[in-house]
Amino acid sequence: DGGITQSPKYLFRKEGQNVTLSCEQNLNHDAMYWYRQDPGQGLRLIYYSQIVNDFQKGDIAEGYSVSREKKESFPLTVTSAQKNPTAFYLCASSRWEDRGYTFGSGTRLTVV
Amino acid sequence: GQQVMQIPQYQHVQEGEDFTTYCNSSTTLSNIQWYKQRPGGHPVFLIQLVKSGEVKKQKRLTFQFGEAKKNSSLHITATQTTDVGTYFCAGPGSSNYKLTFGKGTLLTVNP
Repeated sequence: DGGITQSPKYLFRKEGQNVTLSCEQNLNHDAMYWYRQDPGQGLRLIYYSQIVNDFQKGDIAEGYSVSREKKESFPLTVTSAQKNPTAFYLCASSRWEDRGYTFGSGTRLTVV
Repeated sequence: GQQVMQIPQYQHVQEGEDFTTYCNSSTTLSNIQWYKQRPGGHPVFLIQLVKSGEVKKQKRLTFQFGEAKKNSSLHITATQTTDVGTYFCAGPGSSNYKLTFGKGTLLTVNP
Protein backbone atom coordinates (compact mmCIF):
# COMPACT_ATOMS: atom_id res chain seq x y z
CA ASP A 1 0.00 0.00 0.00
CA GLY A 2 1.15 3.53 -0.74
CA GLY A 3 1.84 5.95 2.02
CA ILE A 4 4.30 8.16 3.84
CA THR A 5 6.87 6.76 6.21
CA GLN A 6 8.45 8.90 8.89
CA SER A 7 11.24 7.61 11.01
CA PRO A 8 12.00 7.33 13.78
CA LYS A 9 8.74 7.57 15.73
CA TYR A 10 10.53 8.92 18.82
CA LEU A 11 13.86 10.73 18.87
CA PHE A 12 15.92 12.07 21.74
CA ARG A 13 18.83 14.43 21.29
CA LYS A 14 21.07 16.56 23.44
CA GLU A 15 20.89 20.31 23.11
CA GLY A 16 23.34 21.67 20.54
CA GLN A 17 23.18 18.65 18.25
CA ASN A 18 21.72 18.66 14.76
CA VAL A 19 19.21 15.93 13.99
CA THR A 20 17.67 14.76 10.70
CA LEU A 21 14.14 13.45 10.43
CA SER A 22 13.33 11.11 7.58
CA CYS A 23 10.26 11.30 5.33
CA GLU A 24 9.69 8.92 2.40
CA GLN A 25 6.56 8.59 0.22
CA ASN A 26 5.62 6.09 -2.47
CA LEU A 27 2.44 7.86 -3.57
CA ASN A 28 4.11 9.54 -6.55
CA HIS A 29 3.07 12.89 -5.10
CA ASP A 30 4.87 15.96 -6.40
CA ALA A 31 4.55 18.18 -3.36
CA MET A 32 5.86 17.49 0.13
CA TYR A 33 5.65 19.42 3.39
CA TRP A 34 6.96 19.61 6.91
CA TYR A 35 4.73 20.82 9.74
CA ARG A 36 5.43 21.28 13.40
CA GLN A 37 2.72 20.66 15.99
CA ASP A 38 2.81 21.99 19.54
CA PRO A 39 -0.04 21.64 22.06
CA GLY A 40 -2.67 24.27 21.40
CA GLN A 41 -0.81 25.66 18.38
CA GLY A 42 -2.25 23.62 15.57
CA LEU A 43 0.02 22.81 12.63
CA ARG A 44 2.64 25.33 11.52
CA LEU A 45 4.41 25.03 8.16
CA ILE A 46 8.19 24.75 8.26
CA TYR A 47 9.15 24.07 4.62
CA TYR A 48 7.48 22.79 1.49
CA SER A 49 8.60 21.52 -1.88
CA GLN A 50 6.61 21.42 -5.11
CA ILE A 51 9.21 19.67 -7.27
CA VAL A 52 12.56 17.98 -6.96
CA ASN A 53 15.52 20.27 -6.21
CA ASP A 54 13.24 23.12 -5.21
CA PHE A 55 11.75 24.10 -1.84
CA GLN A 56 10.35 27.16 -0.10
CA LYS A 57 10.32 28.42 3.47
CA GLY A 58 7.13 28.20 5.40
CA ASP A 59 6.05 30.29 8.36
CA ILE A 60 8.63 29.01 10.87
CA ALA A 61 11.69 27.99 8.82
CA GLU A 62 14.34 29.50 11.11
CA GLY A 63 16.58 26.82 12.59
CA TYR A 64 15.54 24.18 10.06
CA SER A 65 16.87 22.99 6.71
CA VAL A 66 15.59 20.59 4.05
CA SER A 67 16.62 18.95 0.80
CA ARG A 68 14.63 17.42 -2.07
CA GLU A 69 17.05 15.39 -4.16
CA LYS A 70 14.50 12.69 -4.98
CA LYS A 71 10.75 12.90 -5.54
CA GLU A 72 10.17 10.30 -2.84
CA SER A 73 12.25 11.85 -0.09
CA PHE A 74 12.11 15.13 1.86
CA PRO A 75 14.35 14.98 4.97
CA LEU A 76 14.22 17.73 7.59
CA THR A 77 17.25 18.76 9.65
CA VAL A 78 16.63 20.44 12.97
CA THR A 79 19.74 22.48 13.66
CA SER A 80 21.20 23.70 16.92
CA ALA A 81 19.96 27.17 15.94
CA GLN A 82 16.35 26.13 16.53
CA LYS A 83 15.54 27.53 19.97
CA ASN A 84 12.66 25.25 20.91
CA PRO A 85 13.08 22.04 18.92
CA THR A 86 11.03 19.74 21.16
CA ALA A 87 7.81 19.10 19.23
CA PHE A 88 5.81 16.68 17.11
CA TYR A 89 6.95 16.85 13.47
CA LEU A 90 4.63 15.84 10.66
CA CYS A 91 5.53 15.22 7.04
CA ALA A 92 2.83 15.34 4.35
CA SER A 93 2.47 15.06 0.58
CA SER A 94 -0.08 15.98 -2.06
CA ARG A 95 -0.67 15.84 -5.82
CA TRP A 96 -0.74 18.67 -8.35
CA GLU A 97 -4.46 19.24 -8.07
CA ASP A 98 -6.13 20.72 -5.02
CA ARG A 99 -6.43 17.53 -3.08
CA GLY A 100 -6.03 16.62 0.55
CA TYR A 101 -2.72 16.02 2.18
CA THR A 102 -1.57 12.58 3.18
CA PHE A 103 0.30 12.73 6.48
CA GLY A 104 2.94 10.45 7.89
CA SER A 105 2.61 9.14 11.44
CA GLY A 106 5.00 11.78 12.75
CA THR A 107 8.22 11.98 14.75
CA ARG A 108 8.24 13.13 18.36
CA LEU A 109 11.51 14.93 18.98
CA THR A 110 12.69 15.63 22.50
CA VAL A 111 15.79 17.73 23.05
CA VAL A 112 17.27 17.68 26.52
CA GLY B 1 -0.80 36.84 5.94
CA GLN B 2 -3.76 34.54 5.75
CA GLN B 3 -5.32 33.49 9.04
CA VAL B 4 -7.68 30.60 9.68
CA MET B 5 -9.57 30.68 12.95
CA GLN B 6 -11.56 27.88 14.54
CA ILE B 7 -14.02 27.89 17.39
CA PRO B 8 -14.49 26.46 19.88
CA GLN B 9 -11.02 25.34 20.94
CA TYR B 10 -12.49 22.55 23.07
CA GLN B 11 -15.88 20.86 23.20
CA HIS B 12 -17.00 18.16 25.60
CA VAL B 13 -20.29 16.38 24.89
CA GLN B 14 -22.29 13.46 26.14
CA GLU B 15 -22.49 10.58 23.73
CA GLY B 16 -25.51 11.09 21.48
CA GLU B 17 -25.34 14.90 21.55
CA ASP B 18 -24.60 16.92 18.43
CA PHE B 19 -21.34 18.83 17.86
CA THR B 20 -20.41 21.72 15.59
CA THR B 21 -17.07 23.40 14.92
CA TYR B 22 -16.71 26.62 12.94
CA CYS B 23 -13.91 27.86 10.73
CA ASN B 24 -13.31 31.41 9.48
CA SER B 25 -10.70 32.65 7.06
CA SER B 26 -9.36 36.19 6.78
CA THR B 27 -9.35 35.79 2.97
CA THR B 28 -11.60 34.19 0.36
CA LEU B 29 -10.65 30.57 -0.19
CA SER B 30 -10.57 28.55 -3.40
CA ASN B 31 -11.36 25.50 -1.30
CA ILE B 32 -11.44 24.37 2.30
CA GLN B 33 -10.37 21.05 3.70
CA TRP B 34 -11.17 19.24 6.94
CA TYR B 35 -8.95 16.82 8.82
CA LYS B 36 -9.35 14.65 11.90
CA GLN B 37 -6.53 13.77 14.28
CA ARG B 38 -7.14 11.05 16.85
CA PRO B 39 -5.30 11.38 20.17
CA GLY B 40 -1.68 10.33 19.64
CA GLY B 41 -2.20 10.05 15.89
CA HIS B 42 -1.69 12.10 12.76
CA PRO B 43 -4.17 14.22 10.78
CA VAL B 44 -6.32 12.32 8.30
CA PHE B 45 -8.00 14.06 5.38
CA LEU B 46 -11.79 14.00 5.61
CA ILE B 47 -13.14 16.15 2.80
CA GLN B 48 -12.60 19.11 0.50
CA LEU B 49 -15.25 21.71 -0.33
CA VAL B 50 -14.86 23.85 -3.41
CA LYS B 51 -18.13 25.52 -4.38
CA SER B 52 -19.81 28.47 -2.70
CA GLY B 53 -22.60 27.23 -0.44
CA GLU B 54 -21.57 23.61 -0.88
CA VAL B 55 -22.87 21.02 1.57
CA LYS B 56 -21.45 17.51 1.77
CA LYS B 57 -22.35 14.63 4.05
CA GLN B 58 -20.36 11.66 5.27
CA LYS B 59 -22.66 9.49 7.36
CA ARG B 60 -23.22 11.55 10.55
CA LEU B 61 -20.85 14.35 9.47
CA THR B 62 -22.13 17.38 7.54
CA PHE B 63 -19.71 19.89 6.05
CA GLN B 64 -20.70 23.33 4.77
CA PHE B 65 -18.82 25.98 2.82
CA GLY B 66 -20.11 29.52 3.17
CA GLU B 67 -21.57 31.56 0.34
CA ALA B 68 -18.67 34.02 0.51
CA LYS B 69 -16.15 31.15 0.67
CA LYS B 70 -14.62 32.54 3.84
CA ASN B 71 -16.21 30.28 6.42
CA SER B 72 -17.06 26.65 6.92
CA SER B 73 -18.55 24.33 9.50
CA LEU B 74 -18.47 20.69 10.47
CA HIS B 75 -21.50 19.25 12.24
CA ILE B 76 -21.61 15.78 13.79
CA THR B 77 -25.03 14.34 14.58
CA ALA B 78 -25.40 12.01 17.57
CA THR B 79 -21.74 11.82 18.56
CA GLN B 80 -20.09 8.52 19.36
CA THR B 81 -16.93 7.77 21.33
CA THR B 82 -15.21 7.04 18.02
CA ASP B 83 -15.63 10.73 17.09
CA VAL B 84 -13.10 11.78 19.75
CA GLY B 85 -10.19 13.77 18.35
CA THR B 86 -9.14 17.16 17.05
CA TYR B 87 -10.84 18.50 13.95
CA PHE B 88 -8.87 20.92 11.80
CA CYS B 89 -9.94 23.07 8.91
CA ALA B 90 -7.36 24.25 6.39
CA GLY B 91 -7.31 26.56 3.41
CA PRO B 92 -4.77 27.27 0.69
CA GLY B 93 -2.72 30.43 0.91
CA SER B 94 -0.86 32.25 -1.81
CA SER B 95 0.08 28.89 -3.27
CA ASN B 96 -2.49 26.14 -3.71
CA TYR B 97 0.12 23.77 -2.36
CA LYS B 98 0.49 25.59 0.91
CA LEU B 99 -2.29 24.98 3.40
CA THR B 100 -2.88 27.15 6.45
CA PHE B 101 -4.42 25.16 9.26
CA GLY B 102 -6.71 26.40 12.00
CA LYS B 103 -5.71 25.54 15.56
CA GLY B 104 -8.36 22.84 15.68
CA THR B 105 -11.26 21.89 17.92
CA LEU B 106 -10.66 19.10 20.41
CA LEU B 107 -13.79 16.99 20.82
CA THR B 108 -14.18 14.71 23.80
CA VAL B 109 -17.20 12.44 24.22
CA ASN B 110 -18.45 11.12 27.54
CA PRO B 111 -19.94 7.63 27.11
